[in-house]
Amino acid sequence: GAGVSQTPSNKVTEKGKYVELRCDPISGHTALYWYRQSLGQGPEFLIYFQGTGAADDSGLPNDRFFAVRPEGSVSTLKIQRTERGDSAVYLCASSRTSGGTATDTQYFGPGTRLTVL
Amino acid sequence: QKEVEQNSGPLSVPEGAIASLNCTYSDRGSQSFFWYRQYSGKSPELIMSIYSNGDKEDGRFTAQLNKASQYVSLLIRDSQPSDSATYLCAVKSYSSASKIIFGSGTRLSIRP
Repeated sequence: GAGVSQTPSNKVTEKGKYVELRCDPISGHTALYWYRQSLGQGPEFLIYFQGTGAADDSGLPNDRFFAVRPEGSVSTLKIQRTERGDSAVYLCASSRTSGGTATDTQYFGPGTRLTVL
Repeated sequence: QKEVEQNSGPLSVPEGAIASLNCTYSDRGSQSFFWYRQYSGKSPELIMSIYSNGDKEDGRFTAQLNKASQYVSLLIRDSQPSDSATYLCAVKSYSSASKIIFGSGTRLSIRP
């Protein structure tokens, strides 16, 4: 079946602009995660949704970052007043559930490479 | 101290040999442990998960977990050039049922 998809694959923007990054999880997966990965680093947790609600947003770096998942499927990560330090690959992952062990495997999308000039 | 630590490498191993990748973690409440493989320019791909002490084998891969030492490792037997990638260790803890903490990854290079 289809995996996690993310659009756009690449986004170049200017400092101060607003951007939206989209994630379409695997069908039937209730849990959705956003990560940010900088060069040479592992993915850094940003936010996690269980259904429509943000269950854990402790990884969002500041209030310029916001994410929604209004219908419990597609999610959008929104970044206001972008800064050059926001440049990274933004990864989305989904899992069937979030609490168990055997079923909590996270499957990653291909990522969106954001470049802020 | 980083929550999940890995040697960044690169680790160079001859083809056919065993590659050994190591990871330590700081949160004693950690319950789930994962190894992801990431090819350059691609997203992470889960290759092994382990939840209890001991060894878990899957094909050429063996994950080893020692909770007392807060140590998890990945062995790759009969290494192939296609195994050349960055290997990410990831840990999930009781204190955060949803969040997975990743290490910075170890770059593995298999030389023919």
